[in-house]
Amino acid sequence: DAAVTQKPRYLIKMKGQEAEMKCIPEKGHTAVFWYQQKQSKELKFLIYFQNQQPLDQIDMVKERFSAVCPSSSLCSLGIRTCEAEDSALYLCSSSQLVEQYFGPGTRLTVL
Amino acid sequence: AQSVTQPDARVTVSEGASLQLRCKYSYSGTPYLFWYVQYPRQGLQLLLKYYSGDPVVQGVNGFEAEFIKSNSSFHLRKASVHWSDSAVYFCAVSVYQGGRALIFGTGTTVSVSP
Repeated sequence: DAAVTQKPRYLIKMKGQEAEMKCIPEKGHTAVFWYQQKQSKELKFLIYFQNQQPLDQIDMVKERFSAVCPSSSLCSLGIRTCEAEDSALYLCSSSQLVEQYFGPGTRLTVL
Repeated sequence: AQSVTQPDARVTVSEGASLQLRCKYSYSGTPYLFWYVQYPRQGLQLLLKYYSGDPVVQGVNGFEAEFIKSNSSFHLRKASVHWSDSAVYFCAVSVYQGGRALIFGTGTTVSVSP
């Protein structure tokens, strides 16, 4: 079974603070994705890495987030200055071909 | 642009009854199609996928889905639900091979009553 790991599982930040969350993709997977999910509903795509290189991202990520994959076994997603609207579940997935396998997510609460 | 529609936000069924969750996509070709399930406080788990071939695909835990190209649909079915099937179900599509973002529907919350 696929096993994508995400840490921490829960993160609480004050408005204006920096936040960072990590993802360990499934071994052998070359693609990593980050999604944002609010209210347990629709998933919003944030950024996509292929072989550790960012290939696609939405404008919000370019403006306020920082995302890197320093190795094939570790990726991180950061928020430079947290805002209340950033409170959400951040899901990381990895893929070798087409189907994606998801981690349990990091639940960020911004107070 | 591609899109996925799940018209039913919430479905309630009795344990042992059958279940069908609807999904329609917007894309001129044949996309890669998926159903994922999300249990409370967890990530998404892949239930089944369709790439090509037999339009009826089997998944885990007794789920199956049928691809109907003429209707641009990929409905999920289960013959007899269990209380543990209570979860949120997402339909998703990908139009690329080799790693691209999935396009998700808004999800259907399934509640199984005893």
